[in-house]
Amino acid sequence: DSGVTQTPKHLITATGQRVTLRCSPRSGDLSVYWYQQSLDQGLQFLIQYYNGEERAKGNILERFSAQQFPDLHSELNLSSLELGDSALYFCASSGGGSSSYNEQFFGPGTRLTVL
Amino acid sequence: GNSVTQMEGPVTLSEEAFLTINCTYTATGYPSLFWYVQYPGEGLQLLLKATKADDKGSNKGFEATYRKETTSFHLEKGSVQVSDSAVYFCALIRPLQKVTFGTGTKLQVIP
Repeated sequence: DSGVTQTPKHLITATGQRVTLRCSPRSGDLSVYWYQQSLDQGLQFLIQYYNGEERAKGNILERFSAQQFPDLHSELNLSSLELGDSALYFCASSGGGSSSYNEQFFGPGTRLTVL
Repeated sequence: GNSVTQMEGPVTLSEEAFLTINCTYTATGYPSLFWYVQYPGEGLQLLLKATKADDKGSNKGFEATYRKETTSFHLEKGSVQVSDSAVYFCALIRPLQKVTFGTGTKLQVIP
């Protein structure tokens, strides 16, 4: 158990809809990262937040947005969903406690299926 | 920009065979290098890491040495087990920059 929690575990929705994925980082970790893993694209970095502020941006679509709240949990919002958005979405955290600054701890992921 | 190149998979080995999964990187400065493992149906787990040149990371019988002269961080294990079947990701991280993952290498170990 990495200490990172993600909800929900599975999500099935229809094209055009909007969903919110939630992530709680490890206790003490200030950074949260979001990744998308699909069969054809591999593991893609989407975005990073550090202590509530956006720190780095990767291949995140304009239809997607994220935020990190004062209690450090993060949400990833996906809107106008398309079939191609079906993937595993992982959250990771780093930057606190006894771990090195750069080490990331991954949650179990949310599997999104768009029908 | 930073990049990580991993050998294409899948890699299929018999139990007790020697494993090498190649990883080379391109980066400015002095990145930290990691190997993550993803078992079927699970998230990624850190396998081992190295933060400076000539460091050797090791865990669960796996080893990788940070070679700055060849910009490589190859993963090795002397004797694989069926339970090692998973996808292995090489990653490069620099402070305050986004992490860069390789494409992953699927390992299948057959009895």
